[in-house]
Amino acid sequence: NAGVTQTPKFRVLKTGQSMTLLCAQDMNHEYMYWYRQDPGMGLRLIHYSVGEGTTAKGEVPDGYNVSRLKKQNFLLGLESAAPSQTSVYFCASRLGTSGYQETQYFGPGTRLLVL
Amino acid sequence: AQSVSQHNHHVILSEAASLELGCNYSYGGTVNLFWYVQYPGQHLQLLLKYFSGDPLVKGIKGFEAEFIKSKFSFNLRKPSVQWSDTAEYFCAVKTGANNLFFGTGTRLTVIP
Repeated sequence: NAGVTQTPKFRVLKTGQSMTLLCAQDMNHEYMYWYRQDPGMGLRLIHYSVGEGTTAKGEVPDGYNVSRLKKQNFLLGLESAAPSQTSVYFCASRLGTSGYQETQYFGPGTRLLVL
Repeated sequence: AQSVSQHNHHVILSEAASLELGCNYSYGGTVNLFWYVQYPGQHLQLLLKYFSGDPLVKGIKGFEAEFIKSKFSFNLRKPSVQWSDTAEYFCAVKTGANNLFFGTGTRLTVIP
């Protein structure tokens, strides 16, 4: 199993450009999450999905959109990038809602720089 | 709003020293508690978790944590740290179906 993978690993954007970050998991997990990690602020939840075809807003959703067309993929889109979106983005997934299923597994992260 | 506090931002220890990292949360209901570790250049990995039962939980690599409900705390401990424990440590608290709140992290540097 590859676990949770993220593409790309690093990207530089100019203000106003758009891009899509891809998260893929091969563990048949129902739940998937996008976080951003900023210095001194820990991880903050952007959007999440509780199953194929569903999405919901997290703590900091503004400026981002997501889609979960396939169970194994969770896409994070930036329609018009802003310097404030410079961050490290982590995807995570978990199997279910009880016991060991609660544990979230994280991807390696995508480092995004918006100039 | 729920919050998770990690008061130690950067801890520097010599090898073989004992470690305790603080984690406090503000939520009065049922919680699930986690400690994650992020080694340099790597992604977050689960160290240990508490859902219910014995409030002293043991994780990987000799780490343990104690849930003290009356103090809203879930401190991480290790009796003797190694250089390889140099990493950033995140406490996380789950309060609902999908609400996992992270602390700001504590950077641990272990000096050989």
